[in-house]
Amino acid sequence: QVELQESGPGLIKPSETLSLTCTVSGGSISGFFWNWIRQAPGKGLEWIGYMYYSGSTNYNPSLDSRVTISIDTSKNQFSLELKSVTAADTGVYFCARVAETDYYYYMDVWGKGTTVTVSS
Amino acid sequence: DIQMTQSPSSLSASIGDRVTITCRASESITDYLNWYQQKPGKAPRLLVFGASRLQSGVPSRFSGSGSETDFTLTISGLLPEDFATYYCQQSYGTSYTFGQGTKLEIK
Repeated sequence: QVELQESGPGLIKPSETLSLTCTVSGGSISGFFWNWIRQAPGKGLEWIGYMYYSGSTNYNPSLDSRVTISIDTSKNQFSLELKSVTAADTGVYFCARVAETDYYYYMDVWGKGTTVTVSS
Repeated sequence: DIQMTQSPSSLSASIGDRVTITCRASESITDYLNWYQQKPGKAPRLLVFGASRLQSGVPSRFSGSGSETDFTLTISGLLPEDFATYYCQQSYGTSYTFGQGTKLEIK
């Protein structure tokens, strides 16, 4: 079955750029939308954005100016860059696949999440 | 942006109870509404998509209903493994949003 695994630094400094990668195994990256979602400590889920395998993207308007999602189909990976981070960007970052059935879109496969702490 | 509001924020119930969680959208999302369950330290798990369609492998004690702006997730006959936090999420627009979550605790 399809599995997702996030990777990246667990600690970054304020004002730096957060870079995370999600590796897709057990299936192809083609044909799907690929998402990033985050969760601040003790808080709810926040959708960051998605990229379709062919390259189109859509981002959370509150993060749009700082976010870039990219995809490498040859490596079956997609990535997140978040610029100019602050302590408010601390949390667990999840990658997730969006599947479609009868025009309904839903996140059916999730990575385990990776914890990112922003601190000097 | 479409805002999603869940109620209650927390709920105490006993094993065997029937519970209902509500999710309201700030505008009509027809039936583009999904429900997820999250346990501490774990990734969310999809329960229901399209407002009422049960994801494969999800027990039938879970059910979803609603349309337009008002939706519910019902769990009939709570089991110990159902105590978790539940989130709704809309996929109507090009941007997705989650509700703030409902924490279901053991009474």
